[in-house]
Amino acid sequence: AQRVTQPEKLLSVFKGAPVELKCNYSYSGSPELFWYVQYSRQRLQLLLRHISRESIKGFTADLNKGETSFHLKKPFAQEEDSAMYYCALTFNYGQNFVFGPGTRLSVLP
Amino acid sequence: NAGVTQTPKFQVLKTGQSMTLQCAQDMNHEYMSWYRQDPGMGLRLIHYSVGAGITDQGEVPNGYNVSRSTTEDFPLRLLSAAPSQTSVYFCASSPGTGFFEDYGYTFGSGTRLTVV
Repeated sequence: AQRVTQPEKLLSVFKGAPVELKCNYSYSGSPELFWYVQYSRQRLQLLLRHISRESIKGFTADLNKGETSFHLKKPFAQEEDSAMYYCALTFNYGQNFVFGPGTRLSVLP
Repeated sequence: NAGVTQTPKFQVLKTGQSMTLQCAQDMNHEYMSWYRQDPGMGLRLIHYSVGAGITDQGEVPNGYNVSRSTTEDFPLRLLSAAPSQTSVYFCASSPGTGFFEDYGYTFGSGTRLTVV
């Protein structure tokens, strides 16, 4: 079965520090991986997708098929990055997604 | 474009009551889904649809019904509300094309449901 794990429920870092949100997945094929972000009292938004290899708001994520990981990284965290982050995969061309449990990032001043 | 519109934003139900959560999208997306969001459990798929007239069950379908009579609308019905259905419900849509660049959900703003 497809599964996405995010081992940290809460991650606190100081402003300007590097941040890494971990995501591991289990799927035997080649899934498409995504990161979604939910700011306080807002809807979930697509942050980035691995297929486009883009950098959004300074965040990047590299798909490591050997380690089945898709960790989200940012070299210098900002207070406005505080949010809930969800890693997700789709294996059927976006028909539906499997989400991880989420990691709450708190960037301290 | 309004994107994905969910109504109501908040609802309190008594145990045993029924209600329908509305979801509409104006992007001509083929795929639509309903998720519930619970603390520590992330988003869990309730039901989804790959096109008008086609629906299927997700991870946690019990107690919920859906239908997709038009491309735009995908209502979620709670048949007999239970306290375990207290949650935040999100509707989402995606294009369903064959182009990877189009993948990715557009989410509604959510419905916070409390069953007492």
